[in-house]
Amino acid sequence: QKEVEQNSGPLSVPEGAIASLNCTYSDRGSQSFFWYRQYSGKSPELIMSIYSNGDKEDGRFTAQLNKASQYVSLLIRDSQPSDSATYLCAVRGYNKLIFGAGTRLAVHP
Amino acid sequence: DGGITQSPKYLFRKEGQNVTLSCEQNLNHDAMYWYRQDPGQGLRLIYYSQIVNDFQKGDIAEGYSVSREKKESFPLTVTSAQKNPTAFYLCASSSPRTGTYNEQFFGPGTRLTVL
Repeated sequence: QKEVEQNSGPLSVPEGAIASLNCTYSDRGSQSFFWYRQYSGKSPELIMSIYSNGDKEDGRFTAQLNKASQYVSLLIRDSQPSDSATYLCAVRGYNKLIFGAGTRLAVHP
Repeated sequence: DGGITQSPKYLFRKEGQNVTLSCEQNLNHDAMYWYRQDPGQGLRLIYYSQIVNDFQKGDIAEGYSVSREKKESFPLTVTSAQKNPTAFYLCASSSPRTGTYNEQFFGPGTRLTVL
């Protein structure tokens, strides 16, 4: 079992819809979780961090954490073509972040 | 502007050569990291350093070396012992001071190709 798992996609959603990206992790003791956005050929950009169970909202982005189910998700409301990118889930391990392979999101007009 | 710079953006290496990738940050961050990304894969940690003159191996350190002589700088050398070095190399940094020690910020990356 991989430490951090994501569906590779592509996840295709129409413009204006809600995109839902999911991530599961294996270390039950993990306390810190992050979502990065990576455009093709570019470096990852931190868009959300979450540390407590529940929802955390920032603009069109909502991160959801359920530690009991070892599940973290990212919702993107009113998806735009500019949101088309690969989204990387990262979980804090010992002195490092453990990254999933990423989910590719495609928002079509 | 505060940020992380990496150079060069593109690097071509002949087999048997060592090459050094530069990473500099002016964010006053204590910790710095090197990752490797292969197509369609997540990031894998090569080395990290939490303080000057100290660094630790990550998950795939073989064939790589680093130094941390200054807080601002964390160069990575890809040696000839690294059998498959063609990849996208990313440098990141983080700081404990803001209470967000976990949040890592990335430089623009160096794309290394072995000819």
